Amino acid sequence: EAGVTQFPSHSVIEKGQTVTLRCDPISGHDNLYWYRRVMGKEIKFLLHFVKESKQDESGMPNNRFLAERTGGTYSTLKVQPAELEDSGVYFCASSPRPLAEGDTQYFGPGTRLTVL
Amino acid sequence: KNEVEQSPQNLTAQEGEFITINCSYSVGISALHWLQQHPGGGIVSLFMLSSGKKKHGRLIATINIQEKHSSLHITASHPRDSAVYICAVSAGGSNYKLTFGKGTLLTVNP
Repeated sequence: EAGVTQFPSHSVIEKGQTVTLRCDPISGHDNLYWYRRVMGKEIKFLLHFVKESKQDESGMPNNRFLAERTGGTYSTLKVQPAELEDSGVYFCASSPRPLAEGDTQYFGPGTRLTVL
Repeated sequence: KNEVEQSPQNLTAQEGEFITINCSYSVGISALHWLQQHPGGGIVSLFMLSSGKKKHGRLIATINIQEKHSSLHITASHPRDSAVYICAVSAGGSNYKLTFGKGTLLTVNP
């Protein structure tokens, strides 16, 4: 079974540019989560999809971040325009059922974003 | 103050030593997770527990709900155990997200 995949693995962009990160969850996993780790800090929750619906987007930093999951399969996270403080590693995770129902999450390898 | 605190932040051990990493949390939880990330690697879930103790190979995780504290133990440590170990909690009710500690960087020298 293929794991969670993320693309690209690294992205270096200039301040003001747009970047789109992609996450392909494990097939059949309805729940998809985005997290971010800024250097020196703990990993923080960004948002949670159940199929194509946003269940919780309380962790999204501001309206420069837009996440979508059209069709309930893969998800994209767009940052537009990117700022220096957006640099970090963006992780995606998926699970068949939500955490509250006892399922663990399977993490992708992350996308390292550097904004210059 | 972070809702999830880990100690120590860095830990260096000699091969064969018994390792303990601690995690304290300040919120009500439905489960506590221990995760592992090798250098340059992805994050792997080691344990999810809501009470008592779980064991997998040389790894043991315990949790004390009353004291809001969990420990991850590694017996007979090996250089391949070198990684960042992360404690995370999922709150109860309809809250589905994980809240993470900063992680503990473990280095096991041969």
